[in-house]
Amino acid sequence: GAGVSQSPSNKVTEKGKDVELRCDPISGHTALYWYRQRLGQGLEFLIYFQGNSAPDKSGLPSDRFSAERTGESVSTLTIQRTQQEDSAVYLCASSSRTREIYEQFFGPGTRLTVL
Amino acid sequence: AQSVAQPEDQVNVAEGNPLTVKCTYSVSGNPYLFWYVQYPNRGLQFLLKYITGDNLVKGSYGFEAEFNKSQTSFHLKKPSALVSDSALYFCAVREGSNYQLIWGAGTKLIIKP
Repeated sequence: GAGVSQSPSNKVTEKGKDVELRCDPISGHTALYWYRQRLGQGLEFLIYFQGNSAPDKSGLPSDRFSAERTGESVSTLTIQRTQQEDSAVYLCASSSRTREIYEQFFGPGTRLTVL
Repeated sequence: AQSVAQPEDQVNVAEGNPLTVKCTYSVSGNPYLFWYVQYPNRGLQFLLKYITGDNLVKGSYGFEAEFNKSQTSFHLKKPSALVSDSALYFCAVREGSNYQLIWGAGTKLIIKP
């Protein structure tokens, strides 16, 4: 597709369960970012991929959070043993290394609700 | 340390009036500045960016922003507000070749008919 896609669009889970969120970046975009946005708040950086490697994982809130990227394409964000505080919209963005400074293109997000 | 401040949580403007959403930044090198908009239940959309050149940058939906180096500001403006401009606006800055965008907390813009 032409834009960044994310799935599922909505996820409701029970506390303690694991969830996996998926991001399909724009084809050819080497950089990929995950953010968390709590209701009515700004963006919280989670992790950044350049290609398949993640040089910056500093934003991951705990060891329950992990992410991977394969084939310089799809990325998955996994949250283990979910807690109610994990409820938020998880946004994925991708960008391209071009001569001009590269803007980030965002997906529609996955709304996660932990009951 | 890099930072972005959006000093107003909410801005209220009457339809047809000019609007300004404020943003100030702090970086040690050359800043690259961005504005994004988030409509209700929709993803973030790019509005405009400043990289170099003219201080006045024009973007989508009639918005523009003025880069002011001495005041380290990048305020978003529109001459005549529309009700459909009501949304959440985010300012972001990147320093030089640093990959990461630093985001402001967002400003809710409400345009009243």
